[in-house]
Amino acid sequence: KQEVTQIPAALSVPEGENLVLNCSFTDSAIYNLQWFRQDPGKGLTSLLLIQSSQREQTSGRLNASLDKSSGRSTLYIAASQPGDSATYLCAVRPGGSEKLVFGKGTKLTVNP
Amino acid sequence: GAVVSQHPSRVICKSGTSVKIECRSLDFQATTMFWYRQFPKQSLMLMATSNEGSKATYEQGVEKDKFLINHASLTLSTLTVTSAHPEDSSFYICSATRTGANYGYTFGSGTRLTVV
Repeated sequence: KQEVTQIPAALSVPEGENLVLNCSFTDSAIYNLQWFRQDPGKGLTSLLLIQSSQREQTSGRLNASLDKSSGRSTLYIAASQPGDSATYLCAVRPGGSEKLVFGKGTKLTVNP
Repeated sequence: GAVVSQHPSRVICKSGTSVKIECRSLDFQATTMFWYRQFPKQSLMLMATSNEGSKATYEQGVEKDKFLINHASLTLSTLTVTSAHPEDSSFYICSATRTGANYGYTFGSGTRLTVV
Protein backbone atom coordinates (compact mmCIF):
# COMPACT_ATOMS: atom_id res chain seq x y z
CA LYS A 1 0.00 0.00 0.00
CA GLN A 2 1.38 3.38 -1.04
CA GLU A 3 2.13 5.76 1.81
CA VAL A 4 3.24 9.37 1.52
CA THR A 5 5.10 11.20 4.26
CA GLN A 6 5.85 14.89 4.44
CA ILE A 7 8.51 16.43 6.61
CA PRO A 8 8.41 18.77 8.42
CA ALA A 9 4.79 18.97 9.54
CA ALA A 10 5.19 22.69 10.17
CA LEU A 11 7.79 25.27 9.25
CA SER A 12 8.16 28.91 10.19
CA VAL A 13 10.70 31.07 8.38
CA PRO A 14 11.49 34.77 7.96
CA GLU A 15 10.62 36.45 4.72
CA GLY A 16 13.24 36.12 2.01
CA GLU A 17 14.54 32.74 3.07
CA ASN A 18 14.92 29.86 0.64
CA LEU A 19 13.33 26.67 1.89
CA VAL A 20 12.82 23.02 1.06
CA LEU A 21 9.80 20.85 1.76
CA ASN A 22 10.23 17.10 1.67
CA CYS A 23 7.97 14.33 0.49
CA SER A 24 8.67 10.60 0.48
CA PHE A 25 6.62 7.70 -0.83
CA THR A 26 6.95 4.00 -0.23
CA ASP A 27 6.22 2.53 -3.67
CA SER A 28 8.15 3.82 -6.68
CA ALA A 29 5.50 2.57 -9.12
CA ILE A 30 3.82 5.91 -9.72
CA TYR A 31 2.43 7.70 -12.76
CA ASN A 32 3.19 11.14 -11.43
CA LEU A 33 3.57 13.33 -8.36
CA GLN A 34 1.79 16.60 -7.79
CA TRP A 35 2.41 19.42 -5.32
CA PHE A 36 -0.54 21.50 -4.12
CA ARG A 37 -1.06 24.36 -1.74
CA GLN A 38 -4.14 24.81 0.39
CA ASP A 39 -5.07 28.08 2.04
CA PRO A 40 -7.33 27.95 5.12
CA GLY A 41 -10.93 27.23 4.16
CA LYS A 42 -10.07 26.87 0.48
CA GLY A 43 -9.63 24.14 -2.06
CA LEU A 44 -6.33 22.87 -3.41
CA THR A 45 -4.27 24.79 -5.94
CA SER A 46 -1.98 22.75 -8.12
CA LEU A 47 1.59 24.03 -8.09
CA LEU A 48 3.62 21.53 -10.04
CA LEU A 49 3.05 18.17 -11.72
CA ILE A 50 6.01 15.86 -12.29
CA GLN A 51 5.61 12.83 -14.49
CA SER A 52 7.37 9.64 -13.45
CA SER A 53 9.86 10.02 -16.32
CA GLN A 54 10.80 13.56 -15.27
CA ARG A 55 13.37 14.72 -12.73
CA GLU A 56 12.11 18.22 -12.02
CA GLN A 57 9.64 20.94 -12.85
CA THR A 58 9.89 24.67 -12.32
CA SER A 59 7.33 27.43 -12.06
CA GLY A 60 8.48 30.87 -11.03
CA ARG A 61 10.07 30.67 -7.58
CA LEU A 62 9.08 27.03 -7.20
CA ASN A 63 11.13 24.03 -8.20
CA ALA A 64 10.11 20.45 -7.56
CA SER A 65 12.37 17.46 -8.00
CA LEU A 66 11.54 13.79 -8.22
CA ASP A 67 13.77 10.82 -7.49
CA LYS A 68 11.44 7.95 -8.17
CA SER A 69 13.91 5.19 -7.38
CA SER A 70 14.49 6.50 -3.87
CA GLY A 71 10.87 7.53 -3.38
CA ARG A 72 11.55 11.19 -2.75
CA SER A 73 10.46 14.59 -3.94
CA THR A 74 11.39 18.04 -2.76
CA LEU A 75 9.69 21.37 -3.27
CA TYR A 76 12.09 24.28 -3.24
CA ILE A 77 10.71 27.76 -2.66
CA ALA A 78 13.06 30.61 -3.39
CA ALA A 79 12.92 33.99 -1.69
CA SER A 80 9.87 33.16 0.39
CA GLN A 81 7.13 35.75 0.88
CA PRO A 82 4.32 36.08 3.45
CA GLY A 83 1.89 35.20 0.67
CA ASP A 84 3.52 31.77 0.47
CA SER A 85 2.07 30.93 3.89
CA ALA A 86 -0.21 27.93 3.39
CA THR A 87 -0.29 24.17 3.78
CA TYR A 88 1.65 22.36 1.08
CA LEU A 89 0.49 18.92 0.08
CA CYS A 90 2.34 16.27 -1.87
CA ALA A 91 0.30 13.62 -3.69
CA VAL A 92 1.26 10.67 -5.84
CA ARG A 93 -0.82 8.86 -8.41
CA PRO A 94 0.07 5.18 -7.97
CA GLY A 95 0.51 3.03 -11.05
CA GLY A 96 -2.74 1.34 -12.03
CA SER A 97 -4.88 3.67 -9.93
CA GLU A 98 -6.78 6.91 -10.40
CA LYS A 99 -6.82 7.71 -6.70
CA LEU A 100 -4.28 10.18 -5.41
CA VAL A 101 -2.44 9.32 -2.21
CA PHE A 102 -1.74 12.42 -0.13
CA GLY A 103 0.77 13.25 2.52
CA LYS A 104 -0.48 15.04 5.63
CA GLY A 105 1.05 18.29 4.48
CA THR A 106 3.55 20.86 5.66
CA LYS A 107 2.13 24.02 7.17
CA LEU A 108 4.37 26.89 6.13
CA THR A 109 4.39 30.28 7.82
CA VAL A 110 6.51 33.05 6.32
CA ASN A 111 6.95 35.90 8.75
CA PRO A 112 7.32 39.49 7.49
CA GLY B 1 -6.38 25.94 -18.35
CA ALA B 2 -7.82 23.12 -16.25
CA VAL B 3 -10.31 25.00 -14.10
CA VAL B 4 -12.87 23.36 -11.84
CA SER B 5 -15.72 25.41 -10.46
CA GLN B 6 -17.53 24.28 -7.32
CA HIS B 7 -20.78 25.76 -6.01
CA PRO B 8 -21.95 26.84 -3.58
CA SER B 9 -18.94 27.88 -1.55
CA ARG B 10 -20.98 27.95 1.65
CA VAL B 11 -24.36 26.54 2.53
CA ILE B 12 -26.36 26.32 5.72
CA CYS B 13 -29.28 23.93 5.85
CA LYS B 14 -31.68 22.56 8.41
CA SER B 15 -31.49 19.01 9.72
CA GLY B 16 -33.45 16.62 7.58
CA THR B 17 -33.17 18.57 4.36
CA SER B 18 -31.05 17.78 1.31
CA VAL B 19 -28.26 19.84 -0.17
CA LYS B 20 -26.76 19.62 -3.65
CA ILE B 21 -23.19 20.64 -4.44
CA GLU B 22 -22.07 21.10 -8.04
CA CYS B 23 -18.64 20.55 -9.53
CA ARG B 24 -17.98 21.69 -13.09
CA SER B 25 -14.90 21.39 -15.26
CA LEU B 26 -14.88 24.63 -17.25
CA ASP B 27 -12.30 24.04 -19.95
CA PHE B 28 -11.75 20.30 -20.21
CA GLN B 29 -13.70 17.08 -20.28
CA ALA B 30 -13.49 15.46 -16.89
CA THR B 31 -13.74 11.73 -17.43
CA THR B 32 -13.26 11.11 -13.73
CA MET B 33 -14.31 13.22 -10.77
CA PHE B 34 -13.65 12.70 -7.10
CA TRP B 35 -15.38 13.90 -3.96
CA TYR B 36 -13.49 14.49 -0.74
CA ARG B 37 -14.43 15.48 2.76
CA GLN B 38 -12.10 17.39 5.04
CA PHE B 39 -12.44 17.84 8.77
CA PRO B 40 -10.76 20.81 10.47
CA LYS B 41 -6.99 20.56 10.43
CA GLN B 42 -7.13 17.10 8.91
CA SER B 43 -6.23 15.55 5.61
CA LEU B 44 -8.58 15.05 2.71
CA MET B 45 -10.68 11.93 2.93
CA LEU B 46 -11.78 10.44 -0.39
CA MET B 47 -15.49 9.71 -0.39
CA ALA B 48 -16.13 8.46 -3.91
CA THR B 49 -14.94 8.30 -7.48
CA SER B 50 -17.30 8.95 -10.34
CA ASN B 51 -16.91 8.30 -14.05
CA GLU B 52 -19.17 9.94 -16.59
CA GLY B 53 -22.25 7.86 -17.25
CA SER B 54 -21.45 5.28 -14.59
CA LYS B 55 -22.42 4.74 -10.99
CA ALA B 56 -20.03 6.20 -8.48
CA THR B 57 -17.64 3.98 -6.57
CA TYR B 58 -17.76 4.74 -2.86
CA GLU B 59 -14.96 4.30 -0.37
CA GLN B 60 -15.47 1.93 2.51
CA GLY B 61 -17.57 3.44 5.25
CA VAL B 62 -19.23 6.09 3.07
CA GLU B 63 -23.00 5.75 2.93
CA LYS B 64 -24.01 5.84 -0.72
CA ASP B 65 -27.66 6.46 0.13
CA LYS B 66 -26.73 9.54 2.11
CA PHE B 67 -24.17 10.95 -0.30
CA LEU B 68 -25.67 10.68 -3.77
CA ILE B 69 -23.24 11.33 -6.60
CA ASN B 70 -24.23 11.92 -10.19
CA HIS B 71 -21.79 12.39 -13.06
CA ALA B 72 -24.21 12.89 -15.92
CA SER B 73 -21.88 14.70 -18.30
CA LEU B 74 -18.18 15.14 -18.95
CA THR B 75 -18.26 18.55 -17.30
CA LEU B 76 -20.59 18.16 -14.33
CA SER B 77 -20.73 16.04 -11.21
CA THR B 78 -23.05 16.64 -8.27
CA LEU B 79 -22.98 15.53 -4.67
CA THR B 80 -26.29 15.52 -2.83
CA VAL B 81 -26.24 15.17 0.93
CA THR B 82 -29.63 13.68 1.77
CA SER B 83 -31.43 14.01 5.09
CA ALA B 84 -28.56 16.06 6.42
CA HIS B 85 -27.60 15.91 10.08
CA PRO B 86 -25.25 18.14 12.06
CA GLU B 87 -22.53 15.47 11.85
CA ASP B 88 -22.55 15.92 8.07
CA SER B 89 -21.25 19.44 8.59
CA SER B 90 -17.87 19.56 6.93
CA PHE B 91 -15.80 20.93 4.06
CA TYR B 92 -16.45 19.10 0.80
CA ILE B 93 -14.05 19.36 -2.16
CA CYS B 94 -14.29 17.93 -5.64
CA SER B 95 -11.51 17.24 -8.12
CA ALA B 96 -11.39 16.22 -11.74
CA THR B 97 -9.02 14.68 -14.20
CA ARG B 98 -8.93 13.44 -17.75
CA THR B 99 -8.29 10.03 -19.22
CA GLY B 100 -4.59 9.29 -19.38
CA ALA B 101 -1.90 8.97 -16.78
CA ASN B 102 -0.14 12.16 -17.84
CA TYR B 103 -2.81 14.49 -16.58
CA GLY B 104 -2.81 15.97 -13.13
CA TYR B 105 -5.76 16.66 -10.92
CA THR B 106 -7.62 19.94 -10.61
CA PHE B 107 -9.55 20.77 -7.48
CA GLY B 108 -12.58 22.91 -6.83
CA SER B 109 -12.58 25.66 -4.22
CA GLY B 110 -14.62 23.62 -1.76
CA THR B 111 -18.02 23.89 -0.10
CA ARG B 112 -18.48 24.57 3.59
CA LEU B 113 -21.66 22.77 4.68
CA THR B 114 -23.22 23.62 8.02
CA VAL B 115 -26.26 21.66 9.16
CA VAL B 116 -28.26 23.29 11.95
